[in-house]
Amino acid sequence: DVKVTQSSRYLVKRTGEKVFLECVQDMDHENMFWYRQDPGLGLRLIYFSYDVKMKEKGDIPEGYSVSREKKERFSLILESASTNQTSMYLCASRKQSTDTQYFGPGTRLTVL
Amino acid sequence: SQQGEEDPQALSIQEGENATMNCSYKTSINNLQWYRQNSGRGLVHLILIRSNEREKHSGRLRVTLDTSKKSSSLLITASRAADTASYFCATDARSYNTDKLIFGTGTRLQVFP
Repeated sequence: DVKVTQSSRYLVKRTGEKVFLECVQDMDHENMFWYRQDPGLGLRLIYFSYDVKMKEKGDIPEGYSVSREKKERFSLILESASTNQTSMYLCASRKQSTDTQYFGPGTRLTVL
Repeated sequence: SQQGEEDPQALSIQEGENATMNCSYKTSINNLQWYRQNSGRGLVHLILIRSNEREKHSGRLRVTLDTSKKSSSLLITASRAADTASYFCATDARSYNTDKLIFGTGTRLQVFP
């Protein structure tokens, strides 16, 4: 069965902290994605990766960076967390050249 | 904005009734997908319809696509309390020469027992 896991369901951090959100998929998918979800705004793409060590900016990359050192793992990094980064973060993966994305359970991040 | 929009934003019905949600989008597409999200959880893929298809069924789900109007609808028949969730449409953005999905803002469905 397809599985995407995220390191934390809930996370509370302070302004200025460095935050790592981890996502792991066990399906050998090439493509991985990070979204944030906010009320009334739907899902917005932050970064995505076509394959290991590859990354592309999405629609709202400012304030974020990513790392894809291994095929199964895609990390989202908030270099210096700010209160406007309080949100639900969703990771997804997809097999190259297919259409369906498989989502993790999400991490609800609160920045105080 | 590239985003699609769902209509209505929220829908409340009784168990056994049908629920219809609509999605409008802005660009030409190769396909359109519908996803479901239970409260506070990740999204789950429900159904995909290609641009050359007009209607597709999967169990109690029926999806239609009208590419001339750039719109789609999702019908859930004989709804159950367990169908309570948010529903999102997503279109591929290949017309923008990129390989990502564009999600709508979602419809929150509440089914009362």
